[in-house]
Amino acid sequence: QQQVKQSPQSLIVQKGGISIINCAYENTAFDYFPWYQQFPGKGPALLIAIRPDVSEKKEGRFTISFNKSAKQFSLHIMDSQPGDSATYFCAARGGKGSARQLTFGSGTQLTVLP
Amino acid sequence: GAGVSQSPSNKVTEKGKDVELRCDPISGHTALYWYRQSLGQGLEFLIYFQGNSAPDKSGLPSDRFSAERTGGSVSTLTIQRTQQEDSAVYLCASSSQPSGMEETQYFGPGTRLLVL
Repeated sequence: QQQVKQSPQSLIVQKGGISIINCAYENTAFDYFPWYQQFPGKGPALLIAIRPDVSEKKEGRFTISFNKSAKQFSLHIMDSQPGDSATYFCAARGGKGSARQLTFGSGTQLTVLP
Repeated sequence: GAGVSQSPSNKVTEKGKDVELRCDPISGHTALYWYRQSLGQGLEFLIYFQGNSAPDKSGLPSDRFSAERTGGSVSTLTIQRTQQEDSAVYLCASSSQPSGMEETQYFGPGTRLLVL
């Protein structure tokens, strides 16, 4: 019930291409879905987030698409750049009581080739 | 401070020893979280502090793990009688709007723990 499944595990994209990372969840009580970007040796940093009452959110080159009925959401990185090479984590926040913690996917290692 | 800080950045210890990991959250942030990141894995929730409320310890993997938060600010995660499977990066995060819909958790750089 608390699991968030993320795919692919790794992704290689040419510069200028589109990177797509997918996540699926089971717990319908989740109420907030952030994506985090992590560079080696650093802590994760919030990239973009979406609420379940919104189907799409765009910030610059980054877009989240959210399908509530399918319990799936995805991150699209347009015009991917070598500087985007990092590990990306989707997450979901518990919506009940004190369940404020984030449940994370297993991560996607993105490599953007120059 | 400018961000969440953690110390030490790296810790090597022998199996069976106790370790203490420290987290300094962003000033004014009332919520503090500890997560564990094993090699090649996602982050696993450990414990959550919110103001003066009783902490949510539901993610602690065993009674060897404990954490406290003094004065609503600095937090210490203690692992007693460390085991090799405790080797991981321990991440701390803080936020200012735990009850808000769009809460942002700000993460520290982590403490890399290696148990030999």
